[in-house]
Amino acid sequence: KQEVTQIPAALSVPEGENLVLNCSFTDSAIYNLQWFRQDPGKGLTSLLLIQSSQREQTSGRLNASLDKSSGRSTLYIAASQPGDSATYLCAVTGNQFYFGTGTSLTVIP
Amino acid sequence: DAGITQSPRHKVTETGTPVTLRCHQTENHRYMYWYRQDPGHGLRLIHYSYGVKDTDKGEVSDGYSVSRSKTEDFLLTLESATSSQTSVYFCAISESIAETQETQYFGPGTRLLVL
Repeated sequence: KQEVTQIPAALSVPEGENLVLNCSFTDSAIYNLQWFRQDPGKGLTSLLLIQSSQREQTSGRLNASLDKSSGRSTLYIAASQPGDSATYLCAVTGNQFYFGTGTSLTVIP
Repeated sequence: DAGITQSPRHKVTETGTPVTLRCHQTENHRYMYWYRQDPGHGLRLIHYSYGVKDTDKGEVSDGYSVSRSKTEDFLLTLESATSSQTSVYFCAISESIAETQETQYFGPGTRLLVL
């Protein structure tokens, strides 16, 4: 069974700092890996999707990398802003979608 | 935003009572999913559907049943609610599964409290 782990569970940084969120998974037989954002009381919104054949994807200040062989992904957020405060979840797609437990990010003004 | 609505958005019920949650989509996507989200457990799949009247179990299906009589509606029923089913329930949809470009779109969630 696929297990997805995210470390740290919570992170607090001052505004403007660059930061990295980590995601690891146990089964490398995946179709893709996605990073989602969840605001309090809301559903999940997809941020980036990396196909299994790709190494990274970028969207604005966000960059996600994928190393399938080691079962790891990172989400890099550049120049963090208070509006980035949210929970970030990674998910891998195999025969189902498997989610990590998320990292709760707080960006302090 | 994908057209997904969930109803009710909040519900308080008593132990032993049956409860039905509704998910409605306007995207005509084939796949629909029900997840529950609990602290420390992340999102866990309860049931999913791959077409009208076609459903399958997820990892936490005990105590839950589903039905899909129309493409746009997916119902989740707690047959006899227990306190352990207090959670936030999310519906999601996708066009396909096991595809490299496939993603899911999520509804706003339903907060259920079982007393």
